[in-house]
Amino acid sequence: DTGVSQNPRHKITKRGQNVTFRCDPISEHNRLYWYRQTLGQGPEFLTYFQNEAQLEKSRLLSDRFSAERPKGSFSTLEIQRTEQGDSAMYLCASSSSGGDITDTQYFGPGTRLTVL
Amino acid sequence: GENVEQHPSTLSVQEGDSAVIKCTYSDSASNYFPWYKQELGKGPQLIIDIRSNVGEKKDQRIAVTLNKTAKHFSLHITETQPEDSAVYFCAARRELDKGRRALTFGSGTRLQVQP
Repeated sequence: DTGVSQNPRHKITKRGQNVTFRCDPISEHNRLYWYRQTLGQGPEFLTYFQNEAQLEKSRLLSDRFSAERPKGSFSTLEIQRTEQGDSAMYLCASSSSGGDITDTQYFGPGTRLTVL
Repeated sequence: GENVEQHPSTLSVQEGDSAVIKCTYSDSASNYFPWYKQELGKGPQLIIDIRSNVGEKKDQRIAVTLNKTAKHFSLHITETQPEDSAVYFCAARRELDKGRRALTFGSGTRLQVQP
């Protein structure tokens, strides 16, 4: 399967704990995005990388959230001191800046986080 | 920032009928409008997109229309089938805004096709 992959698919944690999610983009894609989706809503943009550079961050990305893409390939999203309001589906997407002028974003299956 | 509104929130049609989902956007600088289909437990999947220099685009049973003046765009699905049942999202983006690649999504339409 050459699509976007995310791990874990599900994560249950207690309030106050730290969690980390991983995203592996489509191999030739240099852009990587994180979105958050709550029940009954559309995805909301969190942040985006081009190669290893983090170029855009949403106001939703509080100081408890940090994302990295150290080698321009996979990315991690860490949430520190989780709160119940962090419960959501965290989606990763990737795209290529070359060739596809519309820069189509392809989404992974998501990581569902439940904070108890 | 951009705001995208989507209607209706739920839509039930009989198999073989057509379905129409409508979205409006607020930022007149937005010029790329994709539509995604999301099935239960899966991530959104692109089904069709349109850029602002085109008024209509069709791909088999799916078509999208764009009215830049009114700032609204619509998804049309003809000859609906039970496998079309899913949640559909519209989105908007400033395609050529350097450093800004975020998609702004609507709130989704749950389409149910009754066999």
